[in-house]
Amino acid sequence: EPEVTQTPSHQVTQMGQEVILRCVPISNHLYFYWYRQILGQKVEFLVSFYNNEISEKSEIFDDQFSVERPDGSNFTLKIRSTKLEDSAMYFCASSDGVSYNEQFFGPGTRLTVL
Amino acid sequence: AQTVTQSQPEMSVQEAETVTLSCTYDTSESDYYLFWYKQPPSRQMILVIRQEAYKQQNATENRFSVNFQKAAKSFSLKISDSQLGDAAMYFCAYFNAGNNRKLIWGLGTSLAVNP
Repeated sequence: EPEVTQTPSHQVTQMGQEVILRCVPISNHLYFYWYRQILGQKVEFLVSFYNNEISEKSEIFDDQFSVERPDGSNFTLKIRSTKLEDSAMYFCASSDGVSYNEQFFGPGTRLTVL
Repeated sequence: AQTVTQSQPEMSVQEAETVTLSCTYDTSESDYYLFWYKQPPSRQMILVIRQEAYKQQNATENRFSVNFQKAAKSFSLKISDSQLGDAAMYFCAYFNAGNNRKLIWGLGTSLAVNP
């Protein structure tokens, strides 16, 4: 069964460093998302991406964040200068936009900013 | 703006018993989808069940079923014959295709299953 994959599973970085979180969505999906979940808190929408551009971004998704689909298969989230409060679980999801609009989630990347 | 409320931060159930997790939401839309996701300790987000708002019939997936009350904007999850593997965080989520297709999440309910 096709699945969304994410790498790395765990990333530890120093405050102020740049990180890139990678995702490979399901191949025939058209809509891509990043969500984050700070430990013990709710899941928060970051950004949605369709047709090679951002559809919507939340207030969390400021100039420090960017997304890219560089090669038609990968979908990346870049944080330019990490802050302590960026420590969270980051989930990538994809959807074909048809089948119940279900979003399929990757296993997540745990980002720890020291 | 749409919101999702899960009023039970924690629940517990005896193995083999039935438990119901509550979820309410607020929207002015008529066409939307509702989901329950399970998040075990691995933190993987797993879809449990989904409901289209235009369908009156409640969705069922094996031991999992929902009670969807559209007028009351209520979407509860019933787990029958609870198993130890059901212990997890459960999130209710709302989706509207006109809302830029993002999921809006409740705070979650932590379910413990006692042997």
